[in-house]
Amino acid sequence: GIQVEQSPPDLILQEGANSTLRCNFSDSVNNLQWFHQNPWGQLINLFYIPSGTKQNGRLSATTVATERYSLLYISSSQTTDSGVYFCAVLATSGTYKYIFGTGTRLKVLA
Amino acid sequence: DAMVIQNPRYQVTQFGKPVTLSCSQTLNHNVMYWYQQKSSQAPKLLFHYYDKDFNNEADTPDNFQSRRPNTSFCFLDIRSPGLGDAAMYLCATSRDQEPTADTDTQYFGPGTRLTVL
Repeated sequence: GIQVEQSPPDLILQEGANSTLRCNFSDSVNNLQWFHQNPWGQLINLFYIPSGTKQNGRLSATTVATERYSLLYISSSQTTDSGVYFCAVLATSGTYKYIFGTGTRLKVLA
Repeated sequence: DAMVIQNPRYQVTQFGKPVTLSCSQTLNHNVMYWYQQKSSQAPKLLFHYYDKDFNNEADTPDNFQSRRPNTSFCFLDIRSPGLGDAAMYLCATSRDQEPTADTDTQYFGPGTRLTVL
């Protein structure tokens, strides 16, 4: 099955810093999503981005499907950005199953 | 606001005592998913319903069952919880099995944290 690896696994930033999170996947996918899981466990959808680039405020994402990776950029980080960031890809072979990546745990210090 | 609701938020049960977790949605989505998430791990799909069609993951233990009596509600039954079943259980919905637009993506509930004593 598809393997989804994220890097770095852990990241500590000072408030105001920028960061780039990476998601690599082992096979072609039809779509990819980025999620933020806050410290209370709630998963929030950030981007649906099977290809191309999208921006939403301080966050932007780029997926290069042909090279099997996606990047999530966080600019001017805030303490509320802390939590775990997951990418998830959809496996369409046989059954429609989302495969979550290994996650990047981000802590933003005030 | 349309949303995904999970009850209870915290559930404590005893080893071997059946427990049911509930999920409801006001989004009128066709697909409902149940994920298990253990500490410091990614969510793992247990099963999902596309309308009334049940899709079980091959590695989901028989101890886990699900019911979807109508579009709005979906239940997760754990028949004989073991200590290894302590986890966060996440319910999610989506309009269709394969999204083609931002509005088709998964929406997650707040989760139910299960403790097994």
